[in-house]
Formats: sequence, C-alpha cells, structure tokens
Amino acid sequence: DAKTTQPPSMDCAEGRAANLPCNHSTISGNEYVYWYRQIHSQGPQYIIHGLKNNETNEMASLIITEDRKSSTLILPHATLRDTAVYYCIVRVYGSARQLTFGSGTQLTVLP
Amino acid sequence: DGGITQSPKYLFRKEGQNVTLSCEQNLNHDAMYWYRQDPGQGLRLIYYSQIVNDFQKGDIAEGYSVSREKKESFPLTVTSAQKNPTAFYLCASSPSGNNQPQHFGDGTRLSIL
Repeated sequence: DAKTTQPPSMDCAEGRAANLPCNHSTISGNEYVYWYRQIHSQGPQYIIHGLKNNETNEMASLIITEDRKSSTLILPHATLRDTAVYYCIVRVYGSARQLTFGSGTQLTVLP
Repeated sequence: DGGITQSPKYLFRKEGQNVTLSCEQNLNHDAMYWYRQDPGQGLRLIYYSQIVNDFQKGDIAEGYSVSREKKESFPLTVTSAQKNPTAFYLCASSPSGNNQPQHFGDGTRLSIL
C-alpha cells in the first residue's frame, strides 16, 4: 500500500470549513483513498473513501486531484466534536488486509 | 443498533496470565480484524479473519491467538508469551467484497498489574 504524508496538526475555528490535506504521491491505479478519524480513547471512525472522483457524504467531502497524488478532506462546518486525529489511508482495491494507519493529523476545532 | 461491541473496556492482567478480549458484531460482516495501538502511534494488525473457521496472522501475531467459530465473534487471547501487552486493542469488521471500509469497536485498554 502507498505511503501517505499528512501535517501533524491543524487548527480550525468552529463553524468554518476544515481542509485536511494528504499526499500520496506513490499511489497506484488500483488504490483507494480512505479517511478515518479517532477521538481520544475511542475506536477509529470511518468517514469517506474514493478512487478518483470527488465524493461527498453526510460527514464530509473528499477531493482527489486529477493525478491522484494528493487529496483533501473537507469538513464543511467544523464543530468542537470534530476535534480528533484524522488518518488518510490508501489501500489496494479488493484488499481484505489491514489498514495501515500513519500518524495522522491532529485537528483541533477552536471555539 | 448494529455495531461492534468490545468488552471489557478496561482489563488488567497479572504476569504469566492469559486474558481474552471479546469482540462481537451484528453487522453480518464476513471479515474481522484485531489491531493493537500504542500511545501516539498508528494501528498494527495482529490477526484477521475473512471467513468463519479461518484466520491469518498479521504483522505482530506473536504472543496472541484467535478463534473464529461464529461469524459474529472473533475473540483475541493475549498469552503470557506476549511480553509487552499493555496497549489499546481495537477490533474491526468489514463486509466481503472490494473496497469496503472497516468499522471499529471502541476498544479494550489492557494493562499489566
């Protein structure tokens, strides 16, 4: 699975959009981009995933660049409860093996 | 509600003792996983199972054992051979098929007395 690079920390004002970047320059054609988040002492929570098209669900939007070497997770209206570590993961299509979590981005939403 | 239940939330182990962590899911998922998370670090895979009565070692299986006798259940035993068992243990499950996301329980925190 391709390696990902994320900034270690970010702050965002409550009510504003949080844009979390992820670089995955070695991604291959059959690897999906997944985003999870983990609130302290809880299990990771699945947010969204995509291959090459932008995706949106009730939690967030995922923007993948045309060359697929990077992506951005967007939380449109961040709340204090969105404070968590956000993990960007790339994973081979059809793989039932593990998710490889890196160190993620600590997002702190400020009141 | 459908989900993954891990128990207990906190567990203490004495030296030389085996302990078993429970993981139950009612999501009808075929695949189940056990991960270990150490402070400030990502997740490392211990074991995974894609179907009942079958399981595979992950990256750090030494000192651990699992069983998958039922689709809903994937218990993890931390044996006395695991010399550094203090960690946060996470169970996950996913449907079979391509690109399905994994869903996690709330974890069990194991400490050594």
